[in-house]
Amino acid sequence: KNQVEQSPQSLIILEGKNCTLQCNYTVSPFSNLRWYKQDTGRGPVSLTIMTFSENTKSNGRYTATLDADTKQSSLHITASQLSDSASYICVVSARGGGADGLTFGKGTHLIIQP
Amino acid sequence: EAGVTQFPSHSVIEKGQTVTLRCDPISGHDNLYWYRRVMGKEIKFLLHFVKESKQDESGMPNNRFLAERTGGTYSTLKVQPAELEDSGVYFCASRPGLDRNSPLHFGNGTRLTVT
Repeated sequence: KNQVEQSPQSLIILEGKNCTLQCNYTVSPFSNLRWYKQDTGRGPVSLTIMTFSENTKSNGRYTATLDADTKQSSLHITASQLSDSASYICVVSARGGGADGLTFGKGTHLIIQP
Repeated sequence: EAGVTQFPSHSVIEKGQTVTLRCDPISGHDNLYWYRRVMGKEIKFLLHFVKESKQDESGMPNNRFLAERTGGTYSTLKVQPAELEDSGVYFCASRPGLDRNSPLHFGNGTRLTVT
């Protein structure tokens, strides 16, 4: 069964600090891995998409890594800002799967404190 | 460019009533998806339209749910009759073409509460 596990479930850090969110998956055959940011009351917004051949991708202060061998990904946030407070969802796509074969993680709820 | 819009943003109904959710995708996006997030769970797929055709409806929980996309533009998702377990946030998403690596654009969701 395809699964995506994220850790930690929630995280509180001080403004300006860095943090790393983790994503482990058992989706097969792998197509791509996405990180989404979801603000409270809003829909998820795409941060990065990585295919099998990519092991790192950045979007501003967000850097995602992918290790397809160990089936792990991380999202590193540098110099956090109050606006980074949100849920971060890891989504893995399986090749040939119906509806793009997307499997969602439950997300990491990140709170940035001033 | 207008994003994906969903209406209503919130809906509170009693068990047994009917509710219809609407989604307007980004103009020109052939692919339209419905997802649902039940409290404490991950977002799960409901169904996928390509233009006006249902490409995949394997995620629809039962025949109380009916989705339509007449004319290949906006879509509606009707729940009739609603049950308590239907409560959750219903998201609509769209993307333009066949590139499976392109990002999905999500609406802000409709929060449905069945009492």
